[in-house]
Amino acid sequence: KAGVTQTPRYLIKTRGQQVTLSCSPISGHRSVSWYQQTPGQGLQFLFEYFSETQRNKGNFPGRFSGRQFSNSRSEMNVSTLELGDSALYLCASSATSGRRNEQFFGPGTRLTVL
Amino acid sequence: GDSVTQMEGPVTLSEEAFLTINCTYTATGYPSLFWYVQYPGEGLQLLLKATKADDKGSNKGFEATYRKETTSFHLEKGSVQVSDSAVYFCALSDSSGGGADGLTFGKGTHLIIQP
Repeated sequence: KAGVTQTPRYLIKTRGQQVTLSCSPISGHRSVSWYQQTPGQGLQFLFEYFSETQRNKGNFPGRFSGRQFSNSRSEMNVSTLELGDSALYLCASSATSGRRNEQFFGPGTRLTVL
Repeated sequence: GDSVTQMEGPVTLSEEAFLTINCTYTATGYPSLFWYVQYPGEGLQLLLKATKADDKGSNKGFEATYRKETTSFHLEKGSVQVSDSAVYFCALSDSSGGGADGLTFGKGTHLIIQP
């Protein structure tokens, strides 16, 4: 079974631009979560999508948004990029949602904002 | 809000040494607890989990017991190997908010095993 895939793996953008990251979950998984990993703040939850609906959202500004398609693939968008948005963005999928569910992580997209 | 505290390291041990990485948590509900491992250049892999008090999670020689009375979930391994060198994250998932909740992570512990 293929794992979680994320594209692109690396991305360089400049301040003020916007970016879209993509995540394909494990086949059959309906929940996709996004996390931001930085050296200073560590791993922080962005949001979760389940059956095309946003189920929960972390404490991030509205510049961070996402969506999920009917095939469970998810995209994350960051508008008006700031230097502090440089991070590793991780996507995780699980069969369903809920606190007991094991989340399987992708390799991440490393975003650099210049 | 929820939080997870763990030693950040780096923790440096010799091969075959005993490992303990401490993890304590604060949560308003009845969380599930997890240990994830991250190797260089890779995403996170679930190492083990426990979903209720007194549960013991175990995998690849690693163990952790969910201690509600001390709000702890310490990771242990009896004999570490060089291949265990990685960053280890303690995390919780809390149901108190209802519905789906994201994972709350500790800062991560960088473990270095020397031959």
